[in-house]
Amino acid sequence: NAGVTQTPKFRILKIGQSMTLQCAQDMNHNYMYWYRQDPGMGLKLIYYSVGAGITDKGEVPNGYNVSRSTTEDFPLRLELAAPSQTSVYFCASGRQSTDTQYFGPGTRLTVL
Amino acid sequence: KQEVTQIPAALSVPEGENLVLNCSFTDSAIYNLQWFRQDPGKGLTSLLLIQSSQREQTSGRLNASLDKSSGRSTLYIAASQPGDSATYLCAVRVQTGANNLFFGTGTRLTVIP
Repeated sequence: NAGVTQTPKFRILKIGQSMTLQCAQDMNHNYMYWYRQDPGMGLKLIYYSVGAGITDKGEVPNGYNVSRSTTEDFPLRLELAAPSQTSVYFCASGRQSTDTQYFGPGTRLTVL
Repeated sequence: KQEVTQIPAALSVPEGENLVLNCSFTDSAIYNLQWFRQDPGKGLTSLLLIQSSQREQTSGRLNASLDKSSGRSTLYIAASQPGDSATYLCAVRVQTGANNLFFGTGTRLTVIP
């Protein structure tokens, strides 16, 4: 099993550009999550999904969108990138809401 | 809202020393608490998960304790090795909802050979 995979590993965007961060898991987990980690800070939840077709906002959803058309994939869309979105983005998945979450390697995004 | 704090932010110890990392949380109504390890440029790896009804969990040289009433957890690492150098994150899971995992800011551990 590959676990949770994320692409790209690194990306530099200009202000106002858009991009999609890809996340996939092959563990057949219902729950998937997107977090951001700013320097010296804990992880903050952006969006989460409890199954295909169902998504909901986390603590810091502004400026982002998600979709969950399949169990495996949970892409995160950034529209009109801003410097405040410079961060490391982690995708995670879990079997149930109370189970261990398995994390991807992260995407380091810089917005200039 | 649950707040999770980890002190110190950074710690350096010589190889072979035993050490303790601290985690505190503001709301004792938790479901479980988890310790993660994060290596530079990598994702998080789960180390230990303690259910709210448990007092401690052990895995190899790692021992995590939980005192829910006082809002504290510790991660004890015995006979530290340079390979233990990483950032250690504590995360608290509250009892309801899928939006339920709250992370501390981490302790960056350096074990000096």
